[in-house]
Amino acid sequence: EPEVTQTPSHQVTQMGQEVILRCVPISNHLYFYWYRQILGQKVEFLVSFYNNEISEKSEIFDDQFSVERPDGSNFTLKIRSTKLEDSAMYFCASSEAILNYGYTFGSGTRLTVV
Amino acid sequence: GESVGLHLPTLSVQEGDNSIINCAYSNSASDYFIWYKQESGKGPQFIIDIRSNMDKRQGQRVTVLLNKTVKHLSLQIAATQPGDSAVYFCAEGGYSTLTFGKGTMLLVSP
Repeated sequence: EPEVTQTPSHQVTQMGQEVILRCVPISNHLYFYWYRQILGQKVEFLVSFYNNEISEKSEIFDDQFSVERPDGSNFTLKIRSTKLEDSAMYFCASSEAILNYGYTFGSGTRLTVV
Repeated sequence: GESVGLHLPTLSVQEGDNSIINCAYSNSASDYFIWYKQESGKGPQFIIDIRSNMDKRQGQRVTVLLNKTVKHLSLQIAATQPGDSAVYFCAEGGYSTLTFGKGTMLLVSP
């Protein structure tokens, strides 16, 4: 079964450092998403991406965040200057179509900011 | 009921029992609802979905019920198995986003 692959599985970074979280969506999917989950809390939407541009973003997705599809397979989330409160699981997801909510999620990257 | 911070509502059942997990949603205009299962250390996994023009939808061992009058969604799992132990989230579908609820932990004892 096709999978969304995320790397690394764990990332520890110093406060103020930049991090890049990487995702390889399913190859025939056109819509890509980042969600995050702070420990013990619900999954929260960050951003959706289609046709090389952001479709929607949440209030969480401020100027410190950016996304990019640098080539035909990778989809990245960059946090420019990490804060302690950025510590969370970050999930990438992809879907075939905009109204197809049966997203496929990756297994996540656990980001710990110290 | 609602959970705060680290405290998730927990449903404990015996293997073979039927489980019912409930969810209250907030947006009366939502027209698409999904149940996700999240096992420890993994991402959410799609279980079943339902559109607002339906009251009930069945899958393999799972049934979703939608009551739009009271904005309530439920997931029924028949003959619950230890492998069903996980956190279950309901989610509302927006244009290109999902809004997740806070989750219920299902614990299945053999």
